[in-house]
Amino acid sequence: ETGVTQTPRHLVMGMTNKKSLKCEQHLGHNAMYWYKQSAKKPLELMFVYNFKEQTENNSVPSRFSPECPNSSHLFLHLHTLQPEDSALYLCASSQDLLAGGEQYFGPGTRLTVT
Amino acid sequence: DAKTTQPNSMESNEEEPVHLPCNHSTISGTDYIHWYRQLPSQGPEYVIHGLTSNVNNRMASLAIAEDRKSSTLILHRATLRDAAVYYCILSPSPHYGGSQGNLIFGKGTKLSVKP
Repeated sequence: ETGVTQTPRHLVMGMTNKKSLKCEQHLGHNAMYWYKQSAKKPLELMFVYNFKEQTENNSVPSRFSPECPNSSHLFLHLHTLQPEDSALYLCASSQDLLAGGEQYFGPGTRLTVT
Repeated sequence: DAKTTQPNSMESNEEEPVHLPCNHSTISGTDYIHWYRQLPSQGPEYVIHGLTSNVNNRMASLAIAEDRKSSTLILHRATLRDAAVYYCILSPSPHYGGSQGNLIFGKGTKLSVKP
């Protein structure tokens, strides 16, 4: 596979569930990002990792917990979500933060919280 | 963070050039200008970026005003596959300690292409 992949592509979960989103990049990049795209709202940057270290947490509620075990993988662990958390969650990568202006995005995970 | 202003929507005819404007009057001297687009049901796609000089790549051209307070993304021959939301984004130069990773997306311009 090439590029940035995300699994699952669609997820429906209840407010008491715990689930995880997975992102994998096959580009040899060192920076990875999580974004949230709600209906009719601009993309919002959530977290940034550079060489496995978190460099940005954009005031994201603690019910979203990121994990970056290596430069190729990024997870977003979800627990006790709210219906307003339903959105498209996008993962992206770039060579590193110095080249962060050129990001490659995955197709996203469409999350519905019931 | 410096903001950008784009028209909400634009229309184009297939195989004609498209000029997508972006105003960024509060841009700092070290901010880069990036353009991304998002096709329906897909993640955003990097298009082009520049600092001061005009830039060309296989997808588009970026024309930057001399005072850098505005820029224009040029699609030389629009195709139906170019129908998307186009985002103009500013990010600080890494050479001055900025992190280019913190891209702030606005609402963008929704481009429609008519056959």
